[in-house]
Formats: sequence, structure tokens, C-alpha cells
Amino acid sequence: DIVMTQAPLSVSVTPGESASISCRSSKSLLHSNGITYVYWYLQKPGKSPQLLIYRMSNLASGVPDRFSGSGSETDFTLKISRVEAEDVGIYYCGQLLENPYTFGAGTKLELK
Amino acid sequence: EVQLVESGGSLVQPGGSLKLSCVASGFTFSNYWMDWVRQTPGKSLEWIGEINTDGSKTNYAPSIKDRFTISRDNAKSTLYLQMSNVKSDDTAIYYCTRIFRGAWGQGASVTVSS
Repeated sequence: DIVMTQAPLSVSVTPGESASISCRSSKSLLHSNGITYVYWYLQKPGKSPQLLIYRMSNLASGVPDRFSGSGSETDFTLKISRVEAEDVGIYYCGQLLENPYTFGAGTKLELK
Repeated sequence: EVQLVESGGSLVQPGGSLKLSCVASGFTFSNYWMDWVRQTPGKSLEWIGEINTDGSKTNYAPSIKDRFTISRDNAKSTLYLQMSNVKSDDTAIYYCTRIFRGAWGQGASVTVSS
């Protein structure tokens, strides 16, 4: 199985500042079709996960452009610019390249 | 608006069975692969399995293979998860999801305990 490793496990950010979350996969997530199958999700307190970024760098519908995704074949970054109170929650990276799909342990973002 | 609504979660004894349902609305259900993902208390997400658009193909995580079965009824826009021979480790919130396209249900709580 592909292992997804996130860092840090928690981050505390001052509102208005930026935050970055890293994710590393144990295998390249670059498909032969040129698409990198890494996804980012946010689970707000008491809610279901919601998709933020798909295929490494594409913003999901309705997601503010303060969120961005980037990376290579095995190393990925989610950046949040100008953090707001509504961004609090747990962020997960996931690989949807091959079965079984797997997720990172999550990064908890809280406000200072 | 895309909606996924799970039902059927409950308390079940070890070795017992349970069937979860997920009713979809707001999109053409029969056009999408669908997945089940679970989340154990305080822990991360675990993919359970997926089913193709017409229900002819399924894939499962090794941890639940041969115990869980995913099926669908496109006429009813409904996804199912049949759980058999459940164990305490199956205690979790179960989400129905259109995982590639960003829709998740509110989750169904399953507790396995005697």
C-alpha cells in the first residue's frame, strides 16, 4: 500500500498569516496520463471531510483561492494564504492513484 | 445541490451483520463511481472500497475484503454497504463519497460491541 506521511501533525497560525502542510508519498503518484493523483481534504470540527484540492493543484468548486496545492511526484504541499477562522480543522492528503486509496494521518490547524 | 445521505448505522454485536444505505441527489448517480470511507474515533480516514457506474465491478481494501460488499441501485440512486462478521475494529463513522469529485455524506455511526 502507498503510505502518505504528513507534517506537521499540528500547526498554530495567527489569523492573516500563511500556513503550509507537507505530505510525502511512498511511491510516485504521477500516472502515465500526466496527472498526479494527490488530493487534499479539510474536515472541520464535527463535519464530514470536504475536498479542497484535486489532482495536486486544482482548486475544488467553491474553495477560496487562498488555498493552493503544489508538488512533485512524491512530495506535496498545501498552502493556505491569509488564514481565517473558518480554516480551522484537520487537513488530510490522500492518494487516489491505486487501490487501496490511502490517506495521511492528518494535520490539525488551529488559530493562535 | 449534490447530497449524499447515509442511513442504517447502529449498535451491532461482534459477528453480526449490518447494511448501510446512501441516497444520492443533485447529480446523475449512474454516471459516477462511488466509494465508502470510514473514520475510526479520533483517527484518520480509511478507504473501504468502490463500485463502478453500473455495479459490475467492485474493489475493496484488504482489511475488509470478503466481509463487506458494496452494491448499488441506480434506479433508486442508492449505494449500499453490506457488512458481515463485524469486529470491534469496524467501529467507525462510515461515509458514502464521490471521492474523486468531492461529495461526502454526513456519515453513519456503527458501533460493534456486545
